[in-house]
Amino acid sequence: DAKTTQPPSMDCAEGRAANLPCNHSTISGNEYVYWYRQIHSQGPQYIIHGLKNNETNEMASLIITEDRKSSTLILPHATLRDTAVYYCIVRYMNYGGSQGNLIFGKGTKLSVKP
Amino acid sequence: DAGVTQSPTHLIKTRGQQVTLRCSPKSGHDTVSWYQQALGQGPQFIFQYYEEEERQRGNFPDRFSGHQFPNYSSELNVNALLLGDSALYLCASAPGRRHTEAFFGQGTRLTVV
Repeated sequence: DAKTTQPPSMDCAEGRAANLPCNHSTISGNEYVYWYRQIHSQGPQYIIHGLKNNETNEMASLIITEDRKSSTLILPHATLRDTAVYYCIVRYMNYGGSQGNLIFGKGTKLSVKP
Repeated sequence: DAGVTQSPTHLIKTRGQQVTLRCSPKSGHDTVSWYQQALGQGPQFIFQYYEEEERQRGNFPDRFSGHQFPNYSSELNVNALLLGDSALYLCASAPGRRHTEAFFGQGTRLTVV
């Protein structure tokens, strides 16, 4: 089962910041927080991931609380093309070989409105 | 650089038949994972291949099997198809020994009638 809890849906006005919350209260020390999104009928697209520090890339920012029990994905200036289902996933590290698999929940359906 | 490619894109099969889906990973990636996504649900992990061996497996019956070739490409085989196997089948690849993002293909839409 997924180890994360997300709201089923959110709306955001175009041009405004979209803040998507995620709870992962049972996360362990060797698990990362990953975010993916899926636009209708396409494969999931990687957005960002982090362990305990805040992360930023060209797509988004990831804010992880100090106790690591929750995080927020921030899309700074949402556009209509950001309308998608956003998945928050915890994934374990495996230094010995293959990577841990991704366990998807139901995600948050973000609707960006003009 | 081509990303993850899957074939075919769409497929219609009859209940009881067998199907083979194919995946070519992103260049430089040696780990391939397969996921099943039913309509309205998140992707569910089927299994993962690394160094030509199945390394992890999700909660799927033995009707689902796979293979990884020396060039890291992979196949997913499903025997004795059921109507409930209708789904989008996704392949994801990643470099095995570095903790980084997995890249997904566009999927194969399988319809069982």
